[in-house]
Amino acid sequence: DTAVSQTPKYLVTQMGNDKSIKCEQNLGHDTMYWYKQDSKKFLKIMFSYNNKELIINETVPNRFSPKSPDKAHLNLHINSLELGDSAVYFCASSQVWGLAPRTDTQYFGPGTRLTVL
Amino acid sequence: AQKITQTQPGMFVQEKEAVTLDCTYDTSDPSYGLFWYKQPSSGEMIFLIYQGSYDQQNATEGRYSLNFQKARKSANLVISASQLGDSAMYFCAMRENSGNTPLVFGKGTRLSVIA
Repeated sequence: DTAVSQTPKYLVTQMGNDKSIKCEQNLGHDTMYWYKQDSKKFLKIMFSYNNKELIINETVPNRFSPKSPDKAHLNLHINSLELGDSAVYFCASSQVWGLAPRTDTQYFGPGTRLTVL
Repeated sequence: AQKITQTQPGMFVQEKEAVTLDCTYDTSDPSYGLFWYKQPSSGEMIFLIYQGSYDQQNATEGRYSLNFQKARKSANLVISASQLGDSAMYFCAMRENSGNTPLVFGKGTRLSVIA
């Protein structure tokens, strides 16, 4: 059973298009995250949701909009795609946000490689 | 502001030997957690080991151990008896306990295990 799953695994699209990436976790976790890994492998948080509520929103362009229909799902919608959006996007989840976040291990999905042409 | 530094962009190790991957961090929060992740060429991020700032003992998980030196603010990953399958990128990360602070990653170290 896959703990954190993402679809699609690969996404190739033209500049200006709108696309979505879906994420689901079956770990019963309360918190979900989106990360972006650039071409140099640097991994940076984009968003975090706890129980469907947005709690971290890093300096990400407004073209990126996360949506959490329930606590097991966190989708990422990207409008007007740009060349610089090409990256690997990881979804992750962890058990509890509020209590001792320093101990809260995050488990990652397999990643979605987005290529904007 | 928290910061993670991994000074070794690449490392080589002979199969069956031990290897240490360096990680230093900077934080003013006395309560924090340190994490190591492995990213093989297939791309997934695999959690390896966790160390809390108040933990008295160094964390161990199978062939992985964390050499935690709090005063030096270092959290080096030690892999014993390296295997070919250990070839991957390794990321050190830290999360402070205060506020809505995210998990912050270092730039990673690429480990290559040689037969």
